[in-house]
Amino acid sequence: AQKVTQAQTEISVVEKEDVTLDCVYETRDTTYYLFWYKQPPSGELVFLIRRNSFDEQNEISGRYSWNFQKSTSSFNFTITASQVVDSAVYFCALRYNTDKLIFGTGTRLQVFP
Amino acid sequence: GAGVSQTPSNKVTEKGKYVELRCDPISGHTALYWYRQSLGQGPEFLIYFQGTGAADDSGLPNDRFFAVRPEGSVSTLKIQRTERGDSAVYLCASSLTPWGEGNTEAFFGQGTRLTVV
Repeated sequence: AQKVTQAQTEISVVEKEDVTLDCVYETRDTTYYLFWYKQPPSGELVFLIRRNSFDEQNEISGRYSWNFQKSTSSFNFTITASQVVDSAVYFCALRYNTDKLIFGTGTRLQVFP
Repeated sequence: GAGVSQTPSNKVTEKGKYVELRCDPISGHTALYWYRQSLGQGPEFLIYFQGTGAADDSGLPNDRFFAVRPEGSVSTLKIQRTERGDSAVYLCASSLTPWGEGNTEAFFGQGTRLTVV
């Protein structure tokens, strides 16, 4: 079965702390894509990153970094020096051999000043 | 427009009524997707259009749900005999080409919050 698990329902941090959002996925396919989206209070899903199953190289984009490990079926997302504007719900998602995205249940991040 | 536009942003309807939700994709985007997001959950796939045709409607929960895209641009999601369980945010996304082709990304609208009372 294809599945995405985000075990952390809600995380609260104080500004400037680092925070890691966990994502574990299940798929039988050897070719697949993993995504992270941000959903601010406005409701729109904002694309953050896509990673294909053949590229395990970690990626850094400013304060954001992603750690993809096929051995543990995980695709974790770290925000360094968090800011209040990072407060949102973050979704991890999986796409395999179809055009559908399977989303996790999301992690609500609250960053307090 | 600059992004995916969904109207109305909010819709309250009585149980048993018929509703239509509209999605205006980004100009030139051939692929269009509808998702449903219930409170506290991630979005769930409903239907995907490539051009005017529904390429995959396997996510529609039952025959009360129907969607069209007659000219390959604007899409309408139609729900008949609404039930309280249909209450959710309905999200639309569009992409230049299907996700399956290359690295095209999908852009989401802000959604329509449907409340069935």
